[in-house]
Amino acid sequence: DAGVIQSPRHEVTEMGQEVTLRCKPISGHDYLFWYRQTMMRGLELLIYFNNNVPIDDSGMPEDRFSAKMPNASFSTLKIQPSEPRDSAVYFCASSLHRSSKFFGPGTRLTVL
Amino acid sequence: QKEVEQNSGPLSVPEGAIASLNCTYSDRGSQSFFWYRQYSGKSPELIMSIYSNGDKEDGRFTAQLNKASQYVSLLIRDSQPSDSATYLCAVMITGNQFYFGTGTSLTVIP
Repeated sequence: DAGVIQSPRHEVTEMGQEVTLRCKPISGHDYLFWYRQTMMRGLELLIYFNNNVPIDDSGMPEDRFSAKMPNASFSTLKIQPSEPRDSAVYFCASSLHRSSKFFGPGTRLTVL
Repeated sequence: QKEVEQNSGPLSVPEGAIASLNCTYSDRGSQSFFWYRQYSGKSPELIMSIYSNGDKEDGRFTAQLNKASQYVSLLIRDSQPSDSATYLCAVMITGNQFYFGTGTSLTVIP
């Protein structure tokens, strides 16, 4: 298996622009997680899905963030409009039975 | 109080020594415990999981769990420079609650 796939790997955008991050989980995994990592706050869970259904989005910082999982093999995290404080590394992770998570390579987002 | 606490370090050990990484957690209902390794600029990688009190060994790594004292530790024997990374402790309290610590930075000096 190729592991969790994320795209793009790097994104540089200007404040106010829309940003879409993409994730393909490991085939057969029924949980998908979006995390954000910064030096100040460490790894923060933004949202997670079980069988394509959003279960807990309490970590989504505000309405500018939205996430979808239209099918078992694809998820998106969208930020609109983006702000400089959104700059971070965004990780997608998947797991079977919500325990041992496998992380993707991450998307490094810079908002100028 | 944070759900999971780790000493941020940095922790430096000489090559060949034992590195000891510690983690405490606040919820006595915590069920599962994990150690992830994260190299600089890379994603976290699961290296150990432990579910019951005692020790669990995997190669040079040993995870230790003490639920009464609410701590979990990771020992790395015969430390190598390639072990230099940030180690993240993670705790699953229930099926819906999973928390990461902020990580301990380890440097193994050749």
